Amino acid sequence: NAGVTQTPKFQVLKTGQSMTLQCAQDMNHEYMSWYRQDPGMGLRLIHYSVGAGITDQGEVPNGYNVSRSTTEDFPLRLLSAAPSQTSVYFCASTRVRTSERDTQYFGPGTRLTVL
Amino acid sequence: KNQVEQSPQSLIILEGKNCTLQCNYTVSPFSNLRWYKQDTGRGPVSLTIMTFSENTKSNGRYTATLDADTKQSSLHITASQLSDSASYICVVSRGSYIPTFGRGTSLIVHP
Repeated sequence: NAGVTQTPKFQVLKTGQSMTLQCAQDMNHEYMSWYRQDPGMGLRLIHYSVGAGITDQGEVPNGYNVSRSTTEDFPLRLLSAAPSQTSVYFCASTRVRTSERDTQYFGPGTRLTVL
Repeated sequence: KNQVEQSPQSLIILEGKNCTLQCNYTVSPFSNLRWYKQDTGRGPVSLTIMTFSENTKSNGRYTATLDADTKQSSLHITASQLSDSASYICVVSRGSYIPTFGRGTSLIVHP
């Protein structure tokens, strides 16, 4: 299994541009989520999905959209990039959302810079 | 407010020594507490998961403890190795799997 994969690894955008961060998992996990990690702060939940066709907002959803058309893929869209969205983005997946014991697997991250 | 506080912020130890990292939380209701290791430039990797009824969990040289009454957890690393140099993150989840992440403890192991 490849686990959780993310593309691209690095990206530079200009203010106002849009882009999609890709995330895929091959473990047939129900639950997928997106986080951002900023210096000096803990990871913060942006959006999550409990299954294909179901998404919900996390702690910091503004400026981001998600969709989940398949179990495997969970892309994150930046609608109009702003410098405040400069961050490292992590995608993660867990087998079952409601399990207290399931391991959460993280992807390698996408480092995004918005100029 | 749901918070997870970790201490120390950073720690330097010599190879072969033991160390203990602390995590205090105010998250409620409590579902589970997880410790992760994050190497520089990589995603976090799960070390331990503990639910309310568990007070200790080991994973090789890593041992986590949980005191749900005082809302404290610790991660003890035994016989440290150079590869233990990383950030260690404490995460506490509420009932619907909404996680609150600590800022992490940066550990450097010197030869």
